[in-house]
Amino acid sequence: RKEVEQDPGPFNVPEGATVAFNCTYSNSASQSFFWYRQDCRKEPKLLMSVYSSGNEDGRFTAQLNRASQYISLLIRDSKLSDSATYLCVVNSRRSNSGYALNFGKGTSLLVTP
Amino acid sequence: EPEVTQTPSHQVTQMGQEVILRCVPISNHLYFYWYRQILGQKVEFLVSFYNNEISEKSEIFDDQFSVERPDGSNFTLKIRSTKLEDSAMYFCASSHPGQGSEQYFGPGTRLTVT
Repeated sequence: RKEVEQDPGPFNVPEGATVAFNCTYSNSASQSFFWYRQDCRKEPKLLMSVYSSGNEDGRFTAQLNRASQYISLLIRDSKLSDSATYLCVVNSRRSNSGYALNFGKGTSLLVTP
Repeated sequence: EPEVTQTPSHQVTQMGQEVILRCVPISNHLYFYWYRQILGQKVEFLVSFYNNEISEKSEIFDDQFSVERPDGSNFTLKIRSTKLEDSAMYFCASSHPGQGSEQYFGPGTRLTVT
């Protein structure tokens, strides 16, 4: 089973739409969760951390369900500039003192006029 | 806003050659990382580095790879004898200490092995 799984999409939505992405992770000991966005051939850019209580940043809302090992991202009032690949990322402690980010393969979003 | 920088942006090398990829992490960060992304695939963890030593490495990070912090600002990834399958984007990242700390990525070096 993949450590972080996402629906690859693509999601094609009109401007102004609300879109939701889901993600599941397999390591129940995972401690930290993030959404990154990645534009074509660019670096991943941190969108937001995800907290157990859920958190919101403007048009973006993230939720975490530890019991189900499920993370979601909701984008309201989509803009053309939201078109990108959204990466679900889980920070898991490894065998020693270090941490490593485990990335999902990403969900592609295209917002159209 | 502080950012991670990487050089070169694109490196072309012949199979069997050594390459060094360079990164300047955010100045007050203490953890440094290398990741790679083969075209069309997910971002994969290679190694983390803290307090002048490797704190964690993945199965990908074998004997052909090494990392170094040669001075107070640079963080390098060396690939000793490149293979065709090393062709990928290599991203450097840095963070504050702590499991919840957010990692910030540099723009990447595109490595092409011919």
